[in-house]
Amino acid sequence: DAEITQSPRHKITETGRQVTLACHQTWNHNNMFWYRQDLGHGLRLIHYSYGVQDTNKGEVSDGYSVSRSNTEDLPLTLESAASSQTSVYFCASSYRDGRQDTQYFGPGTRLTVL
Amino acid sequence: AQSVTQPDIHITVSEGASLELRCNYSYGATPYLFWYVQSPGQGLQLLLKYFSGDTLVQGIKGFEAEFKRSQSSFNLRKPSVHWSDAAEYFCAVFANDMRFGAGTRLTVKP
Repeated sequence: DAEITQSPRHKITETGRQVTLACHQTWNHNNMFWYRQDLGHGLRLIHYSYGVQDTNKGEVSDGYSVSRSNTEDLPLTLESAASSQTSVYFCASSYRDGRQDTQYFGPGTRLTVL
Repeated sequence: AQSVTQPDIHITVSEGASLELRCNYSYGATPYLFWYVQSPGQGLQLLLKYFSGDTLVQGIKGFEAEFKRSQSSFNLRKPSVHWSDAAEYFCAVFANDMRFGAGTRLTVKP
């Protein structure tokens, strides 16, 4: 079955380190998204991509970067991890124009920055 | 930019009772509206969505939602709650990008 996976599921790192969270989908979806979830804020969009080589900043993009070299993967990189980036991160994908299409979510990655 | 407000942080209902979760949005035109559910430790699952047409939308697990343009609302309802409905519920609006509300946590009493 097609799916969307995230790895690792849990990560502990130190302030200042570079961290990369992986997202892989097998639906051949054009669109992929990264969100962070924090208590009291719901989910907030970090970055998104509407196709290979396309990336866009979301609501809370500072300190994060993404690259899209193929359809299946959208890795999220924290260039220099900060304690404020301790959160649960969700990847999602959708097929058509994100305006009208359902987003399918991965299981999440819990990141702790000490 | 569009925004979403879920006024209730936490709601407790008895099993078998009816449920209504509130969602208000702010956007100049009619946005695309969604309700998602998240069980503990899980990702989000789509319950239902509204793009156009009939303002009463049916979803999975017996949920429905009604779009009211005059009130800028998209409230989620279920006539009879089951214990398995205990979860976090998120309303979302897509205009330029997807914006989520802060969520409403539902507790179901036996």
